[in-house]
Amino acid sequence: QKEVEQNSGPLSVPEGAIASLNCTYSDRGSQSFFWYRQYSGKSPELIMSIYSNGDKEDGRFTAQLNKASQYVSLLIRDSQPSDSATYLCAVNKVGDDKIIFGKGTRLHILP
Amino acid sequence: EAGVTQFPSHSVIEKGQTVTLRCDPISGHDNLYWYRRVMGKEIKFLLHFVKESKQDESGMPNNRFLAERTGGTYSTLKVQPAELEDSGVYFCASSQGRRGGGYTFGSGTRLTVV
Repeated sequence: QKEVEQNSGPLSVPEGAIASLNCTYSDRGSQSFFWYRQYSGKSPELIMSIYSNGDKEDGRFTAQLNKASQYVSLLIRDSQPSDSATYLCAVNKVGDDKIIFGKGTRLHILP
Repeated sequence: EAGVTQFPSHSVIEKGQTVTLRCDPISGHDNLYWYRRVMGKEIKFLLHFVKESKQDESGMPNNRFLAERTGGTYSTLKVQPAELEDSGVYFCASSQGRRGGGYTFGSGTRLTVV
């Protein structure tokens, strides 16, 4: 079982709709959760971090964390073509500085 | 503020040769990380420096990889001798504190071993 699992996609969403990206993790000791966006050939860019159960909103982005079910999700409202990228879920364990990445989900916003 | 800088951006070398990758972190960032993405796999941790000290090198694949950070500024990652399976994108990241993630990545070095 992978430590961080994501559906590789591609996930195709019409422009203006809500894109929903999901991630599950296996280690209950995970304490911090991150969503990175990576455009093709570019570096991962941190877009959201979440540390406690519930929702965290930042502009068009909402991260959701459910530690009991061991999943974290990212919602993108009013999707734009510029949101087309690979979205990487990453987790960090208690007492650890490194993060563990999923393989990423490719998101394609259809104009 | 300048970001994390890596060079070269691309490197193509023959199996058995040596390659050195360099990373310049954001000025003042004590924490420097190396990660790698091999084709088709997820990005994986290699090692973590705090200033010039190796804090965690649990992700280094074998002794063909040597990382240094003399003086606690820039870091180098040397692969000697390179093997085909070393091909991938090597990312460097830095952070000011030990934030357990959420750091700034460089644009990466794409290494191809032929």
